[in-house]
Formats: sequence, C-alpha cells, structure tokens
Amino acid sequence: NAGVMQNPRHLVRRRGQEARLRCSPMKGHSHVYWYRQLPEEGLKFMVYLQKENIIDESGMPKERFSAEFPKEGPSILRIQQVVRGDSAAYFCASSPRGANVLTFGAGSRLTVL
Amino acid sequence: AQTVTQSQPEMSVQEAETVTLSCTYDTSESDYYLFWYKQPPSRQMILVIRQEAYKQQNATENRFSVNFQKAAKSFSLKISDSQLGDAAMYFCAYRSYSNQGGSEKLVFGKGTKLTVNP
Repeated sequence: NAGVMQNPRHLVRRRGQEARLRCSPMKGHSHVYWYRQLPEEGLKFMVYLQKENIIDESGMPKERFSAEFPKEGPSILRIQQVVRGDSAAYFCASSPRGANVLTFGAGSRLTVL
Repeated sequence: AQTVTQSQPEMSVQEAETVTLSCTYDTSESDYYLFWYKQPPSRQMILVIRQEAYKQQNATENRFSVNFQKAAKSFSLKISDSQLGDAAMYFCAYRSYSNQGGSEKLVFGKGTKLTVNP
C-alpha cells in the first residue's frame, strides 16, 4: 500500500504564476482533504472532497484557490497568480468512508519568489 | 468555533526520561475526538494517539499515553522512556463528532517542538 502520494514535493513559482499540487489518496480511500501549513504554524483545513464533489470548502481562500477530485486521477489543488504569502507546505490527507482517522501525505512545499 | 492551544512552543527531555506535552481546547460540544500527531523533520504527519471524548479511559499506545480531562478541556501527551526518534514537532488536534458530511476536518494547535537529548 503506497500511502498518500503527493507531488511535487517541492515547487518554486514566481509571483503571478500558477501552482498545481497533486494528491493520490490511499487505495480504497474516497475522501480527500487539503491542509496548509504556514511557517511556525499548525495545519489549517482548506477543503474536503469526495469524488467529483466538494463537500466542505470553508477553509479555502475565496479567490485564486480551487480544488478538484475527478472521477479518474488525482486530486488537484490549484493556486492561480501566486503571491509570496502562498509560500507554505500543502498537505493532502485521505480517509475511507466512515473512518475517523486521516492518513497524511508527506506534503508539497511551495515557494513563491 | 473550536480552538486548540499548545502553550509550550519547545520542550526538551533526556533520553529514557518522561516528558509531558500540554494541550487545551475550547468547544461547546460534548462529543468529539482528540488527536496527537507527530511531525518529524521529514514533515510527514504521523498519528500518535487518538481519544474519543465519550470514553473516560485515557488512551495509550505503547510509550505514549494521554491525560484527558474533559471538564478542564485538557488533553496532554505523556511520552515515557523517550527515544532519540521521538524528536519532532507534536501537534494536538480536535475533530468535531458531527462534522458536515462526515468530514474529518481537524483543528490543529501550533505545535510543540520536542528535543531529545542523548
């Protein structure tokens, strides 16, 4: 079991570019979560998705950020027109239906120059 | 909204000794879950221990145990016989029992950096 796979592990973007972060959940897990960790901070919830559905996006910034979890393929967190404040580690986690435990990926570190 | 507070930004312990990490939380709910996660330098978030609020018995996992005081809204982590591999950031987290859509949305504290001295 490969666990939750995130890529890229490190991404560097210049201000104004787009960042795409990918997450493949554990086999058998149908629920995906994205969290953001700013330097010296704990993780902050961004969005919860099931296949083809956004269930809870209460933690997503209103602009420039979007997430999807298509029927086929990984979940994608997309950040348009990145700014320096978007520099952070972005973690994906997954769970099977009805579970009370999340399995986290190793995170993707975004640096905006 | 729920909040989680970890009042110790850093802690240190001698190898083989015992250390306790503090966590308090604020909620108006009666049913919820509490977690401790470990984040080593690799950044991987690893679940250490979990507690259901309706259970009075404190959870234990090998050298890790919690002191759950529901009335005081306190959830401390005790690490016994500390090992060098225990060095990491430790995060306390809260999950509402009745999250929308069965969500595993967690609220995290800011973390405590644990150093283990040989």
